[in-house]
Amino acid sequence: GAGVSQTPSNKVTEKGKYVELRCDPISGHTALYWYRQSLGQGPEFLIYFQGTGAADDSGLPNDRFFAVRPEGSVSTLKIQRTERGDSAVYLCASSLQGAVNFYEQYFGPGTRLTVT
Amino acid sequence: AQSVAQPEDQVNVAEGNPLTVKCTYSVSGNPYLFWYVQYPNRGLQFLLKYITGDNLVKGSYGFEAEFNKSQTSFHLKKPSALVSDSALYFCAVREADTGNQFYFGTGTSLTVIP
Repeated sequence: GAGVSQTPSNKVTEKGKYVELRCDPISGHTALYWYRQSLGQGPEFLIYFQGTGAADDSGLPNDRFFAVRPEGSVSTLKIQRTERGDSAVYLCASSLQGAVNFYEQYFGPGTRLTVT
Repeated sequence: AQSVAQPEDQVNVAEGNPLTVKCTYSVSGNPYLFWYVQYPNRGLQFLLKYITGDNLVKGSYGFEAEFNKSQTSFHLKKPSALVSDSALYFCAVREADTGNQFYFGTGTSLTVIP
């Protein structure tokens, strides 16, 4: 079946601009995670959704970052007033609540964001 | 605070030899532990996990890992390495009872030499 997809695959934007990154999880997966991965680092947790609500947004670095999942499937990560330090690969992952493999996350290919 | 350490940035092993990729963790409660693999231009793929039960867990592609509570370690192992195992490996931990967050290590690049 289809895996987790993320669009765009690459995004180049100027400092100060607004960007939206989209994640399409695996159909039926209720849990959705956003991570940020900088060069040479592991994924860094940003936010976790269970259904439509953000169950844990403690990883968002500041109030320029916001994410939504209005219908419990597709999620959008929004970054306002982008800064060069926001440049990274943004990863999305989903998993299926209640299943024996609930903690197994399925990752998308990521969106590489470059802020110039 | 929760954290994961992968002390080796790079591991080289000859094809057919056993391989070990090291991981130690720190959590305030009981851990859930995971290994993921990242091939070039591919997303992270789940390999195996420890949730509870037997300390030795087996996963995809012949990999296994042993949970050692006293040493707070979860080393990844394979008896006989393949060239196709060459990739970037990440260890991750989540606190069992109260955590939502997964904490990843910085990754270990494994190269299997033909």
